[in-house]
Amino acid sequence: NAGVMQNPRHLVRRRGQEARLRCSPMKGHSHVYWYRQLPEEGLKFMVYLQKENIIDESGMPKERFSAEFPKEGPSILRIQQVVRGDSAAYFCASSPRGDQPQHFGDGTRLSIL
Amino acid sequence: GESVGLHLPTLSVQEGDNSIINCAYSNSASDYFIWYKQESGKGPQFIIDIRSNMDKRQGQRVTVLLNKTVKHLSLQIAATQPGDSAVYFCAEPSSGYSSASKIIFGSGTRLSIRP
Repeated sequence: NAGVMQNPRHLVRRRGQEARLRCSPMKGHSHVYWYRQLPEEGLKFMVYLQKENIIDESGMPKERFSAEFPKEGPSILRIQQVVRGDSAAYFCASSPRGDQPQHFGDGTRLSIL
Repeated sequence: GESVGLHLPTLSVQEGDNSIINCAYSNSASDYFIWYKQESGKGPQFIIDIRSNMDKRQGQRVTVLLNKTVKHLSLQIAATQPGDSAVYFCAEPSSGYSSASKIIFGSGTRLSIRP
C-alpha cells in the first residue's frame, strides 16, 4: 500500500510564476491536509479538504494561495505569483477518517529565485 | 489556546543510552497528543500517541509519559540507535481526539547520536 505521494519533490520557480504542488493520498483516504514548514521550524497547518470540499482553510494566506481536492485525481496546492517568502517545504497528509492519525508525504521543496 | 512546544532545540545522546525528549503544552483541555519523527528530507512519521485518560503508553522501544498536572509530556527512546537521529515533534489536533482537525506542531527537538 503506497504512502502519501507528493510531486514534484523539488520545484524551482522565479518570482511571479505559478507553483502547483500535487498530493495523492493513501488509498482509501478521503481527508487531505496541507502544511508548510520553514527551515528549523515545525509544520504549520494551511488547509484541510475532503473530496470536492474545503473544510478548514484558516491557515491559508488570503491571497495567491488556493487548494482543491477534486472527485478524481490528486489534491493540488496552487501558489500564484510566487515571492521569495514562499520558499519552504510543503507537506501533504491524509487520513481515512477525521479522527484517525494523519500520514504524511515526503513533501515538495519549493525554491523561489 | 493552541500551543504545544517549549522543546529544547537539540539533544545529544550516546549510542545505546536512553533518550528523553520533553514537551510542554498550555491548554489544560487538551486530550490527545502525538509524537512524530522527521528525518532529513522526509515527512513527519507517526511514532506514538496518547490520550489524556492515560498517563503512560508504550510502543516498540518508545514510551510516552503524560503529566496532566504540570501539562507536560515526554518521549523516551530506549537504547538509542543511529537511526533514531531526527527531529522529534510533539503535536496535538486543534479540536482534540475524535475530531477531524489540523494538527498543531511544536518547534521540535533535534536528536543527535554520538558513536
